[in-house]
Amino acid sequence: EPEVTQTPSHQVTQMGQEVILRCVPISNHLYFYWYRQILGQKVEFLVSFYNNEISEKSEIFDDQFSVERPDGSNFTLKIRSTKLEDSAMYFCASSEMGGLGETQYFGPGTRLLVL
Amino acid sequence: GDSVTQMEGPVTLSEEAFLTINCTYTATGYPSLFWYVQYPGEGLQLLLKATKADDKGSNKGFEATYRKETTSFHLEKGSVQVSDSAVYFCALIVSGGSYIPTFGRGTSLIVHP
Repeated sequence: EPEVTQTPSHQVTQMGQEVILRCVPISNHLYFYWYRQILGQKVEFLVSFYNNEISEKSEIFDDQFSVERPDGSNFTLKIRSTKLEDSAMYFCASSEMGGLGETQYFGPGTRLLVL
Repeated sequence: GDSVTQMEGPVTLSEEAFLTINCTYTATGYPSLFWYVQYPGEGLQLLLKATKADDKGSNKGFEATYRKETTSFHLEKGSVQVSDSAVYFCALIVSGGSYIPTFGRGTSLIVHP
């Protein structure tokens, strides 16, 4: 069964460093998403992406964050200058379409620790 | 705004015990309700959903009924197995708004043999 994959599974970085989290969505999906979950808190939406542009973003997704689909398979989340509070589990998801009935398929997550 | 509140975990049960994980919500419009499950090392998977009041979603022996009067969508299973050990997330999507789910914090379930 097709699945969303994410790399790396764990990343440790120093405050102020740039990190790139990578995702490979399911191949025929058109909509892509990033979420994060700070330890013990809710899963929070960051951004959705369709047709090579951001379709929606939350207030969390400020200028420190960017997303890109650099080729036909990868979908990346870049954090330009990491802060301690960026430590969280980051989930990528994809869906075939973007409507209410569409199921989003999630990757296993990347656990980011900022020291 | 929209929000989902789940019971604190971890919930620890013996195999074949009855499971309830409570979920209540507040929504600005008419929501569809979902339960997702995350097994160790895997991504969140849709477990079941209900799109209108009194609907019952079911899958893999799990059930949840959309209760508009109590704004709840509690997850139940009559007899849990060790393989049900996972984190369970309740979520909602409000019709007519963004199609992005609002999630709860997740409830960890640990089932002992």
